[in-house]
Formats: sequence, C-alpha cells, structure tokens
Amino acid sequence: EAQVTQNPRYLITVTGKKLTVTCSQNMNHEYMSWYRQDPGLGLRQIYYSMNVEVTDKGDVPEGYKVSRKEKRNFPLILESPSPNQTSLYFCASSLTGPRGNEQYFGPGTRLTVT
Amino acid sequence: GQNIDQPTEMTATEGAIVQINCTYQTSGFNGLFWYQQHAGEAPTFLSYNVLDGLEEKGRFSSFLSRSKGYSYLLLKELQMKDSASYLCAVGTGGFKTIFGAGTRLFVKA
Repeated sequence: EAQVTQNPRYLITVTGKKLTVTCSQNMNHEYMSWYRQDPGLGLRQIYYSMNVEVTDKGDVPEGYKVSRKEKRNFPLILESPSPNQTSLYFCASSLTGPRGNEQYFGPGTRLTVT
Repeated sequence: GQNIDQPTEMTATEGAIVQINCTYQTSGFNGLFWYQQHAGEAPTFLSYNVLDGLEEKGRFSSFLSRSKGYSYLLLKELQMKDSASYLCAVGTGGFKTIFGAGTRLFVKA
C-alpha cells in the first residue's frame, strides 16, 4: 500500500530535550516536506526537499533541522525544543513537487513540549 | 507578502450545493490545490488547477482565475460525510507550498 508513515504519532517532551520525528514514503517520490498545523494558522511549511541531499527552508524553519540521505526518508529534528513548537506535524511527499503534483500526507505527529 | 484567504466556517444543508472561495496573493504561481481534512486526520487531495477554468471531478468542481487570484471549490449533492475542513493551497515560485487557514464546513440534516 502506497503510504507516508510518521513516528511517533504522539510525543510529550520537555524543553531542551532533542528529538527526531521520522518520516518515510514508499512511493519513490522525489519531493518531501514537513508542515506544522496550528489552530487558526493552517498548515505552514517548515522545510522541503526536492531530492536526496537537496533541502530548502519553508516559511517557518527556525528551531528545526532536516536531512535527506535516502530518497524514502526525511526526518525532522528539533535540537532544543521549546513550548512554542507544540503543534501537529505532518510529513508529505509528492512525485516531483507542487508543480503539478499533489502531496500525500502522513498521519501526523502531535507534539507537546512542556 | 504572500497570503491565502478563505472563509473560516460555512454551514450548508445535506443535498445542497456549497461554494468555498479562496483568494491568493503569492510570489510565483505553479498551480492551486484543494485538500480535504477531516477532524483528526491528514489532508487528502481533491483537485488541482493550473489553467483558468473549471475542473470537474464527480461531485466536486474547482475553478481558477489567475488574473483575479481567485479560486473556488464547488461541492454538489452535499452529504454528511462532507463535513470537514477544506484547504486551499498554492504552489509558489520554486518548490514552496502556501496553505490557507482552511474553511470548516458543517453539513446539517
């Protein structure tokens, strides 16, 4: 089954404790992206990747890191989480990106930073 | 700056037709997408427009006017399961995607 998976689905952590949210897709998509979704603000793009070893900032990249060492995986790293990073996070993938191709979203990761 | 505007909430009756509007101002345009998102779930793709005009897909249609920076999603023969949020998104210059805050649609019996 074609899908995007994220782990963990739920995470409660404390300020400053480094964490990684994994994302994997099995559709051989070139483009992958991370979003956060907050009430009233909608989905905001954090980082995206056009292919292996090619990443770029979205609109809200501060406090986040990403890497794309393999085509299928695109982990999101929070080196020192803060309470303002409490949010619902979605990973998405697309064949070649938003130029004509829809994005497929993972199930989401609900992160709480205390 | 870049922004996408859509109404926050709408209510419609089962069996009726509803139109959800979206206006956008972005630097660059590579197409406009509509996604559906049920509460607690991930967004799923509904439609894509890159040229002016109407795209029809079953009960759902989407319209685009690039000169006006305007799109709408038309839902016909509304069903209770259509109660969800509808997200308007624009592929901007490069490979970025900008989303609107979403329109929450309530379908009542």
